[in-house]
Amino acid sequence: DQQVKQNSPSLSVQEGRISILNCDYTNSMFDYFLWYKKYPAEGPTFLISISSIKDKNEDGRFTVFLNKSAKHLSLHIVPSQPGDSAVYFCAASAGADGLTFGKGTHLIIQP
Amino acid sequence: EAQVTQNPRYLITVTGKKLTVTCSQNMNHEYMSWYRQDPGLGLRQIYYSMNVEVTDKGDVPEGYKVSRKEKRNFPLILESPSPNQTSLYFCASSFAGGLNYGYTFGSGTRLTVV
Repeated sequence: DQQVKQNSPSLSVQEGRISILNCDYTNSMFDYFLWYKKYPAEGPTFLISISSIKDKNEDGRFTVFLNKSAKHLSLHIVPSQPGDSAVYFCAASAGADGLTFGKGTHLIIQP
Repeated sequence: EAQVTQNPRYLITVTGKKLTVTCSQNMNHEYMSWYRQDPGLGLRQIYYSMNVEVTDKGDVPEGYKVSRKEKRNFPLILESPSPNQTSLYFCASSFAGGLNYGYTFGSGTRLTVV
């Protein structure tokens, strides 16, 4: 049973436009959500996080939105840049347990 | 430089030959964890450790062992590797309750079991 779902394996966006990556979860005990970015041949790097007591967190070009009633979160990247091309993982945590990751979405920024 | 170091980066081995993948962090993190990444399955947690001598199973612990005798090291042991353990492995660490800053991941170990 997949508790964190990223239903789009890939997403193609034009440079300068907004990229929206989506993530759904099923476990209502999750209280912290994170996004990681991964380039080929490197480990994932932390991008942005949000606590379940918030519905929005912003950091520069990156904004994460959380809709608890829908069990849905999204990552917005504005404006998209070529260096944003990577695989993005959504992750969730319930208390002291480790992170549960989604399968990832491959974001491709086209010139 | 603050980092998580995994060794080796690449390993090809034969079925049944015991191997250890080392993981070391220099950030004095309490929490360490091992993940495997497989095509179409994303990152799945194997084992994690909240502190020295405290380890617990993740989602896919079968066929793996870990130990946490020192705070900085968290080796992953495959006593009898099998081809279905061919994967890309990542070690990660963080401060306890350090989710605000995410985990720091190592660069990965690509293991092939033939």
